[in-house]
Order: sequence, then structure tokens, then C-alpha cells
Amino acid sequence: TQLLEQSPQFLSIQEGENLTVYCNSSSVFSSLQWYRQEPGEGPVLLVTVVTGGEVKKLKRLTFQFGDARKDSSLHITAAQPGDTGLYLCAGAQAGGFKTIFGAGTRLFVKA
Amino acid sequence: SAVISQKPSRDICQRGTSLTIQCQVDSQVTMMFWYRQQPGQSLTLIATANQGSEATYESGFVIDKFPISRPNLTFSTLTVSNMSPEDSSIYLCSVEDLPSIRANYGYTFGSGTRLTVV
Repeated sequence: TQLLEQSPQFLSIQEGENLTVYCNSSSVFSSLQWYRQEPGEGPVLLVTVVTGGEVKKLKRLTFQFGDARKDSSLHITAAQPGDTGLYLCAGAQAGGFKTIFGAGTRLFVKA
Repeated sequence: SAVISQKPSRDICQRGTSLTIQCQVDSQVTMMFWYRQQPGQSLTLIATANQGSEATYESGFVIDKFPISRPNLTFSTLTVSNMSPEDSSIYLCSVEDLPSIRANYGYTFGSGTRLTVV
């Protein structure tokens, strides 16, 4: 069974600080997605990375896919209170359609 | 990407009763997925629903407890049967977004149903 380990589980920081969330696995994924979920809502897709070593930027968010496509990171620069939420990584199994989700990182950015 | 309408958004139910959750998609989709999410936790796949066939359940989930209907390509229901407090959770439906570019692949989720069983 493929597992996605996500860390840290919880992060509370001040506005303006930088942070990195990690998503690791011993298995290879054909693609990896990052979602953000706010209370009372479903997860919303932020980005999908598909190529080993790929880096994607979404405003202050930088996403990287590991060279071996087994891990990924999300870096937020100058966090803002609006970044508060649950961040989930999800990996699509190589050769299949099933997607597995990491345990999530709950981020709280204080003003 | 698709837009999903899920209802109810929340409910409080007595143990032993059943609740049916509905998801309506604004476009035709082959597969719909049902997830359970404990508050503040990640998502656990319950089953995959294809139109015209029985749903495929993940380990630990059975049809008698979570019957699913998929009458057409835009609609699905999940019933939580004979509920106990352990069924208190958030239930989400989801569809795959299958763009022409793999780099845009992902899932769209409904807004979820927060279920409390008392």
C-alpha cells in the first residue's frame, strides 16, 4: 500500500513568516497534487506537478516535485492570514487511477 | 472544472437511523468518488461509483453500511445506514478533472456534509 507522509501536522506562525510543508513517500507517483481546504468546504486544487524536479509557482506559493517523483514540498513566502487552512498533498498511483491523500498540514497564520 | 452541489451541508441524526447524501454535478462524469474525513484529518476513500454498475468499495467499507446509487452520469447518492456515533464525520463527493494537459489533473470536491450522530 502506498503511503504519503505529510509534515508537519500542525503549524502556527506569524504573518510575514515563511514555511515549508513536506510530502514524502517510498513509492513513485505519476503526478502529485496540492489542495487547500477551509472549514465547511471541500478541498480545492492548488497545483499538480507531474515531472520529476518540476517547480511551479502560484503567487507566494512554490511547489516542487522530487527528482524521483516520490516527494514534494510546498513553500509559502510571507504567509498571510488568508493562507490559513488545511493543506493536503495527494499522489496519483503510477499505472493506476487511484489517488491517495496525505494526512494534511493544518496551518494557522496569525495577524 | 466541474461544479458539484452537495447536500445536506450538515445534519444531526439519531443513532440507528439513516442519512442519504446527494451530489449533483454540472457535467457528465464517468466516475464519482465518496470520501470520509474525520474533523481536521485527511480523506479516506469509501467507494467509487460508476453509472450503470455497482460501486467499488475500499477495504473497511461495505455496501450494507454505505449503499451508493448512481442513476445517471451527473448524480450520485451515499447513504449512511444504521448510524452510530462513530459515523460522525464529514462526507465528501468528488469527481476527476480530466483536462487535455496532465499538468492540470486533479479532483473537484463537493462542499461536504458534516454529520453528527447522537
